[in-house]
Amino acid sequence: LAKTTQPISMDSYEGQEVNITCSHNNIATNDYITWYQQFPSQGPRFIIQGYKTKVTNEVASLFIPADRKSSTLSLPRVSLSDTAVYYCLVGDLAGQGGKLIFGQGTELSVKP
Amino acid sequence: EAGVTQFPSHSVIEKGQTVTLRCDPISGHDNLYWYRRVMGKEIKFLLHFVKESKQDESGMPNNRFLAERTGGTYSTLKVQPAELEDSGVYFCASSQGGRPGEAFFGQGTRLTVV
Repeated sequence: LAKTTQPISMDSYEGQEVNITCSHNNIATNDYITWYQQFPSQGPRFIIQGYKTKVTNEVASLFIPADRKSSTLSLPRVSLSDTAVYYCLVGDLAGQGGKLIFGQGTELSVKP
Repeated sequence: EAGVTQFPSHSVIEKGQTVTLRCDPISGHDNLYWYRRVMGKEIKFLLHFVKESKQDESGMPNNRFLAERTGGTYSTLKVQPAELEDSGVYFCASSQGGRPGEAFFGQGTRLTVV
């Protein structure tokens, strides 16, 4: 299983763009990159998933370089409500039966 | 559409007692997962049901934990007897097709063993 490394915490201000980078140097061919968000006292929530290049949805963008050894979650114009823990997960999810392997995550704090 | 619901939201029990946690997945979801986070640690996988069958129970810590999924609908996780180190937050998630990595989590049950 690919090990992921991401910053433990980040601070930002409302209206800024936030980029959280995750390193996964030993990512395998069948591995996908998935990001989850967790608010206090809630369960994790799926944000975005990608395999290569760029993926964008209504919540975030995910940038994956050609070597796939890292990925960057981009949150445009954050608000106070984006304060949460963000998890980067890497794995052959179909092969794992959908089992998710969580790391420590990045605790994002958005200030006014 | 109702999300994944877990009951109770909090439980405080004494060491040696029994506790049963319940999870109601999203209707129609065949996959049901249990996870837990113990104090200061990462969220860890416990087990995976496909309908009523245990697909993967590699994360179950020991035989004090028993999970069931009656008729492929709701699931229960029983801890008997509870130990202090079982304290933590227990999450349930469900999924059905779609993206392999997209699961829907409940709010969790906070278990405190004293």
